[in-house]
Amino acid sequence: NAGVTQTPKFRVLKTGQSMTLLCAQDMNHEYMYWYRQDPGMGLRLIHYSVGEGTTAKGEVPDGYNVSRLKKQNFLLGLESAAPSQTSVYFCASRRTSDVGRQYFGPGTRLTVT
Amino acid sequence: EDKVVQSPLSLVVHEGDTVTLNCSYEVTNFRSLLWYKQEKKAPTFLFMLTSSGIEKKSGRLSSILDKKELFSILNITATQTGDSAVYLCAVEAVYGGSQGNLIFGKGTKLSVKP
Repeated sequence: NAGVTQTPKFRVLKTGQSMTLLCAQDMNHEYMYWYRQDPGMGLRLIHYSVGEGTTAKGEVPDGYNVSRLKKQNFLLGLESAAPSQTSVYFCASRRTSDVGRQYFGPGTRLTVT
Repeated sequence: EDKVVQSPLSLVVHEGDTVTLNCSYEVTNFRSLLWYKQEKKAPTFLFMLTSSGIEKKSGRLSSILDKKELFSILNITATQTGDSAVYLCAVEAVYGGSQGNLIFGKGTKLSVKP
């Protein structure tokens, strides 16, 4: 099992450009999450999904959109990148029965200039 | 507003020392508290605690939860340089059914000197 994988690992964008981050998991988990991690801020939840075809907003959803067309994939989109979106993005997943515990991907480091 | 506060934010010790990391929380609809270790990349799971007063142990690491006083501690004995990492505390808040979201503290950065 690869677990949770993220693509790409690094990316540099110019202000106003768009991009999509891909998260994939091969553990058949129902729940998937997108977080951002900034220095001194801990991990903050952007969006999450409780199953295929469903998404919901987290703590810091503005400027991001998500889609979960397939159970194993969770996409995070930035329509018009801003320097404030410079961050490390982590995807996570968990089973419905696995109370609390989430499995994290390796992260994507995004810089917006 | 739900919040999780970790202390200290950073800590430098020498190999062989024992350290205690603290996590306090104010969260409605608490279900569980989790500790993760993060060494540059993905956070890796250490412990999950749901019941008060029951210690979880794994080798030199142990953790306990006090649901009355709303805090948890993570102890590391006989520290090694490989313990250097950021330790994250997260509390799961439940919003109905099985859906729960994790609220993270800012982390404690532990540096272990040889």
